[in-house]
Amino acid sequence: DAGITQSPRHKVTETGTPVTLRCHQTENHRYMYWYRQDPGHGLRLIHYSYGVKDTDKGEVSDGYSVSRSKTEDFLLTLESATSSQTSVYFCASSRPNQPQHFGDGTRLSIL
Amino acid sequence: SQKIEQNSEALNIQEGKTATLTCNYTNYSPAYLQWYRQDPGRGPVFLLLIRENEKEKRKERLKVTFDTTLKQSLFHITASQPADSATYLCALKYSGAGSYQLTFGKGTKLSVIP
Repeated sequence: DAGITQSPRHKVTETGTPVTLRCHQTENHRYMYWYRQDPGHGLRLIHYSYGVKDTDKGEVSDGYSVSRSKTEDFLLTLESATSSQTSVYFCASSRPNQPQHFGDGTRLSIL
Repeated sequence: SQKIEQNSEALNIQEGKTATLTCNYTNYSPAYLQWYRQDPGRGPVFLLLIRENEKEKRKERLKVTFDTTLKQSLFHITASQPADSATYLCALKYSGAGSYQLTFGKGTKLSVIP
């Protein structure tokens, strides 16, 4: 495995609070991704990164921001959480045009 | 709009039989297609990748086919076992988009009955 860890694994918070999810990989992969997975929608890309400080938006980026200050770390921030952002969040990493390696997810509940 | 569909939400099959899962796509010019396995509470795990110029790929009891005319990939598990029970996701990398984006299907939940 690519050695991807996500933290926290579970979080419950209130509407309007800021939330940061962390992803750490030990394989020196250049590319990293944040997805959300919801029933009936499958995995949807939020943001991705193609290098340190290089990020771009995915399909469902509204309400989310990301930062990547080191190769191994990719942070996802919900500036002001809403109930529609309740989901399971997955981080992944990969080399160019190679399969993605996923973490085990963060289950986020926003009340 | 671009779309990728896995025809069945769930598939039940008897142990020892061959499971066949379908992935269809529209409006894509594909570069390659991948299949992943996801167990409850875990992240997806990569199984196989097949490129647009390949017809078939095999790995142990797994076989993937890719028909760009039909815009379809079939994923086969031969001699299925209860341990094969999981959700299987297909994911398409299409040319002309952001270089490293994958579009995922919603998944097919496979149950292998002893």
